[in-house]
Amino acid sequence: DSGVTQTPKHLITATGQRVTLRCSPRSGDLSVYWYQQSLDQGLQFLIQYYNGEERAKGNILERFSAQQFPDLHSELNLSSLELGDSALYFCASSVSGGPSTGELFFGEGSRLTVL
Amino acid sequence: AQKITQTQPGMFVQEKEAVTLDCTYDTSDQSYGLFWYKQPSSGEMIFLIYQGSYDEQNATEGRYSLNFQKARKSANLVISASQLGDSAMYFCAMREAHNQGGKLIFGQGTELSVKP
Repeated sequence: DSGVTQTPKHLITATGQRVTLRCSPRSGDLSVYWYQQSLDQGLQFLIQYYNGEERAKGNILERFSAQQFPDLHSELNLSSLELGDSALYFCASSVSGGPSTGELFFGEGSRLTVL
Repeated sequence: AQKITQTQPGMFVQEKEAVTLDCTYDTSDQSYGLFWYKQPSSGEMIFLIYQGSYDEQNATEGRYSLNFQKARKSANLVISASQLGDSAMYFCAMREAHNQGGKLIFGQGTELSVKP
């Protein structure tokens, strides 16, 4: 158990809908990272928050947004869903939000299926 | 250019034998970390082993060892005495010190199948 909690574990929805994925980082970790894993794109970094503020942005679509709340949990919002958004979405956390070479701890992922 | 390259999309190994999964990386940083993660069919990402760029000795964790060749920018994972439960996807990843935010960059993965 990494200590990172993601909900829901599975989600099935229709095109055009909006979903919210939730992540609770390990106790004491200030930084949250979101990754998308799809068959054709592999593991892609989406966005990172550190102590409530956006720190780094990757290949995140404009239809997607995220935030980190004062209690440090984070939510990834996916809207106007398309079939291609079907993927496994991971959240990871770490203590540091800056330049670091230490480990990231991953949650079990949220598997999104868009029909 | 790919930062992390895993050239073996799939590998087979006989149970109880050792196997090496290849990983090369590209960075101009002096300080970086290299990671291997295992992803079984259930989907979770399991941390296996870590090597820091300044570590002089190769990292080992139980049956896992990391063959770190800095000059060649290579960080191969060696699994000794393979078990059926080792069948999974394996990802090599890097975290660069200069990288604002410290994101992990992943390779495309190698699917390992252990034969009984």
